[in-house]
Order: sequence, then C-alpha cells, then structure tokens
Amino acid sequence: GAVVSQHPSWVICKSGTSVKIECRSLDFQATTMFWYRQFPKQSLMLMATSNEGSKATYEQGVEKDKFLINHASLTLSTLTVTSAHPEDSSFYICSARDPSTGANVLTFGAGSRLTVL
Amino acid sequence: QKEVEQNSGPLSVPEGAIASLNCTYSDRGSQSFFWYRQYSGKSPELIMSIYSNGDKEDGRFTAQLNKASQYVSLLIRDSQPSDSATYLCAVTSGSNYKLTFGKGTLLTVNP
Repeated sequence: GAVVSQHPSWVICKSGTSVKIECRSLDFQATTMFWYRQFPKQSLMLMATSNEGSKATYEQGVEKDKFLINHASLTLSTLTVTSAHPEDSSFYICSARDPSTGANVLTFGAGSRLTVL
Repeated sequence: QKEVEQNSGPLSVPEGAIASLNCTYSDRGSQSFFWYRQYSGKSPELIMSIYSNGDKEDGRFTAQLNKASQYVSLLIRDSQPSDSATYLCAVTSGSNYKLTFGKGTLLTVNP
C-alpha cells in the first residue's frame, strides 16, 4: 500500500530559528500533498495544499510567508516553519493520495512534533 | 464554513460491547466520508471509507451513511481494549481531496 514518510519525527528548536519538515511518498508519485497541524486535544486543521511544480494553496488564516512549502518533485514536499515561536509548537502531519489506486483515500505520514523553546 | 461535528466523549464501553460513534456534517455537497483512528501521539490511520447511503461492513467495523440527514456513524462490534483511541470523522467535498475533520470522539474500552 501507499506509504508516506515524514522526517524528522521530533524536533526541538529555539525561538526565532527555522525548521524544515520533509514529507515523502515512498512508493508512489504524488502531485498533491496536504499539510495539517494538530494542537493538543484538537482536531487536524488543514494548513495548505502542496502542488508539485507550482505554488501551494494556503487555507484562510495560515501565513504563507511563515509556513513555506516547496513541492519540487513528485515524491517530496517540504514545510519550513520560519522564525518559529512557542505558539508554533504543534504536531505537523502531511498526507498524500496515490492516484494510481483510483481511490480518493489519503495516506498520512507519521507526523512531526515541533517544540519551540 | 464546512463543519464536521462529533461528540467529544469520552465514550466508555466494556470489552465485547458495541461502540457507536456518530458524526454530522454541514456541507450537503459532501461526497466522501471517512473514519480515522488516532492513538495518542500518533497520526491518523484509516478505518473505513463510505461513499453512498447505507451500511458498509469491514470485519468488526460498520460505517453507516445517511446523506439526507447528513449523518455518518461507525459501529465497532466486540470492542477490544486495543480499540481505545480517538476516532475522527472526516469528509471531502468536490474533487480536491481536501479532508475536513471533526474534533474526534475519545473511546475507552474497559477490560
């Protein structure tokens, strides 16, 4: 089945620094990937849709200059949290759909837990 | 604004019982419906998908969809302690595969 890998699983950084999270589709090509964020005891909130070879589409209220998304290949999307602050501490999860299956089921990565000190 | 509503729980059932999880959605144009299970600190994993009215069974799990009532449910038969998790209802509208999640229902199955 479709596998989505995220790296790193855990990251701790100092306030003001930038952090990059990678999302890879391991056995399929994904023209579109989705980035979600989940705060403790909250549900997953879609941040942006990452499109291969073009600009990401951000959801309302998500700062595109703070959360930089690059989808340079059909198997890799990256999310960079720039000038991170403690309020950015969250669980970031990417997902992708394997178009070869014909199904509209999304596969989720294992998530990346960011802690900003 | 598209909304997905779930009872946050916690829902507590004894081992072997049937757990019933419910979800309503606001967008009548929603086309695809999913139930995900999320263990604490982990990412969601797909349990069931359902696209048309009626019931869909997969092992101990049965999803039920009623588009007229904008209601989708998940039944877990013979509940096991390992089923203890948060269950997330999610829907998509249109062809963009964007999932809108409910806040989830915390299920506890007591041995």
